[in-house]
Amino acid sequence: QKEVEQDPGPLSVPEGAIVSLNCTYSNSAFQYFMWYRQYSRKGPELLMYTYSSGNKEDGRFTAQVDKSSKYISLFIRDSQPSDSATYLCAMRKARGSYIPTFGRGTSLIVHP
Amino acid sequence: NAGVTQTPKFQVLKTGQSMTLQCAQDMNHNSMYWYRQDPGMGLRLIYYSASEGTTDKGEVPNGYNVSRLNKREFSLRLESAAPSQTSVYFCASSGQNTEAFFGQGTRLTVV
Repeated sequence: QKEVEQDPGPLSVPEGAIVSLNCTYSNSAFQYFMWYRQYSRKGPELLMYTYSSGNKEDGRFTAQVDKSSKYISLFIRDSQPSDSATYLCAMRKARGSYIPTFGRGTSLIVHP
Repeated sequence: NAGVTQTPKFQVLKTGQSMTLQCAQDMNHNSMYWYRQDPGMGLRLIYYSASEGTTDKGEVPNGYNVSRLNKREFSLRLESAAPSQTSVYFCASSGQNTEAFFGQGTRLTVV
């Protein structure tokens, strides 16, 4: 079992829908949680990051962390065709190594 | 504001050939990483350098070597390329209080 599990999809939704992307993890030492967005044939770009449990909002995006359940989510409101990409969750420990561990990524398709 | 720059962007090698992938960052980050990305496998860490002068193996180091030339540059070398090394390679860097930034990738095909 991988440390970080993420459903690869694809997830297909109509424009304007609320999208929910999720990851589960097994290592309780993870303290920093990130979401990256990767467009086709491009490098991953950091979308959001949160520390420990709680919610963080940035425009149409909300990141949520539930450490008790070892479960993180990314919500996208009013989804747009330009949101079509692969979304990768990542997480790392707070001390020592800063190496992030990535999920496999979820492919999101928003159709007009 | 270049960020992380990788060269080349594309490469085709014959089995057994060698090559070096170059990576440079201009964000004064201490840590640098090499990942490979394959369909269905996500990002897998090949090697990393926590700081200038140090390198360590990641999840899939076999068949690769790295050099941390200075704080800015971290190269990945394939000594004898194999078809199993056909992949997209990403370099990334991070600082003490910043998360990883990625380059645009190198698409490598070994025939």
